[in-house]
Amino acid sequence: QVQLVQSGAEVKKPGASVKVSCKASGYTFTSYYMHWVRQAPGQGLEWMGIINPSGGSTSYAQKFQGRVTMTRDTSTSTVYMELSSLRSEDTAVYYCVCSATYWGQGTLVTVSS
Amino acid sequence: SYELTQPPSVSVSPGQTARITCSGDALPKKYAYWYQQKSGQAPVLVIYEDSKRPSGIPERFSGSSSGTMATLTISGAQVEDEADYYCYSTDSSGNHGVFGGGTKLTVL
Repeated sequence: QVQLVQSGAEVKKPGASVKVSCKASGYTFTSYYMHWVRQAPGQGLEWMGIINPSGGSTSYAQKFQGRVTMTRDTSTSTVYMELSSLRSEDTAVYYCVCSATYWGQGTLVTVSS
Repeated sequence: SYELTQPPSVSVSPGQTARITCSGDALPKKYAYWYQQKSGQAPVLVIYEDSKRPSGIPERFSGSSSGTMATLTISGAQVEDEADYYCYSTDSSGNHGVFGGGTKLTVL
């Protein structure tokens, strides 16, 4: 069965960067696009972007252009999402989502001085 | 930027039919997906490609789309269906995803 296992919670200071990983198993890694979605405390879901694990092409939400980078490592079936210039408003749970269907368990990123 | 609009809340009694709408200009050409999120949990896909139901999702969940509106219908809503529901789709280019603001379903 499809499993997406994300890296653990992070605490960062404003201005820093964070890199969240998502290790996939149970399917052919390069066959399905991976989305990244975040959810701030008490707020709704927010789409951040998408990566094609096959070729590595990406598309980002305009809001995050210039601050987000999504990459993948086919040798380990892992995708990464790096967000830079963090501010308090980036405090949220970050999810990877395979083919708009299967969700990782989420990674809490807290940005605080 | 592209937006999907949902009602903030819907309330029904157990056994009644709950309908949650999602409106967006690109919906005539792009599929809608629906997710259920219970408190403290990751979202779960309940409808994909407008009207298809993943395995394991109860038959009382159905979806439809007409024009600029997609609808999630829960026929005979149960107390355990209380959750936040989000629609998801893409803009007309297909390159950017977007979620609706979410609808809190109350069943009591």
